[in-house]
Amino acid sequence: DQQVKQNSPSLSVQEGRISILNCDYTNSMFDYFLWYKKYPAEGPTFLISISSIKDKNEDGRFTVFLNKSAKHLSLHIVPSQPGDSAVYFCAAIGGGTSYGKLTFGQGTILTVHP
Amino acid sequence: DSGVTQTPKHLITATGQRVTLRCSPRSGDLSVYWYQQSLDQGLQFLIQYYNGEERAKGNILERFSAQQFPDLHSELNLSSLELGDSALYFCASSARAYNEQFFGPGTRLTVL
Repeated sequence: DQQVKQNSPSLSVQEGRISILNCDYTNSMFDYFLWYKKYPAEGPTFLISISSIKDKNEDGRFTVFLNKSAKHLSLHIVPSQPGDSAVYFCAAIGGGTSYGKLTFGQGTILTVHP
Repeated sequence: DSGVTQTPKHLITATGQRVTLRCSPRSGDLSVYWYQQSLDQGLQFLIQYYNGEERAKGNILERFSAQQFPDLHSELNLSSLELGDSALYFCASSARAYNEQFFGPGTRLTVL
């Protein structure tokens, strides 16, 4: 049962344009969401997070939007840079005795072309 | 550099063997998490420790066990290894449960 889904396995964007990565979740107990970036042969790197009491959080070029009613979140990267090319994972925390356990989506490969 | 260290970086072993993976969390972080990343399963939570105590268990096999020591480093023990145990094993740490987790570089385990 995939509780966090990233339906787009890959995304290709031109340098300078906006990258929009999407994530859907099914567990209504999730109340904290995070985005991670991962390069090959490295561990995931934390990018940005959002609590369920907010609908937007911004950090530099990265903005995360949360639509609780739709159980959907998205990560916007503006402007996109070639160094942003990586695998992006959304993750969620929440529910009962989860104690901070992250539930990850399957990832989206972002390629930013110069 | 996340501040989380993992050793070894690579491990190659045979079926039936036992291995130990080690993780040192970021300074001051009391929570340690272990995750497995395999090709077909993505990143899966295995187990969490907080200040030496087990706090949560995920899809961890009975052949696997972990512990967190008084100095807060953690070890993941994998025994009776099978081919399907080949994967990347990541350790992460955080200050509190609802905090960002910071990941180490991972240990790539290959079981032949």
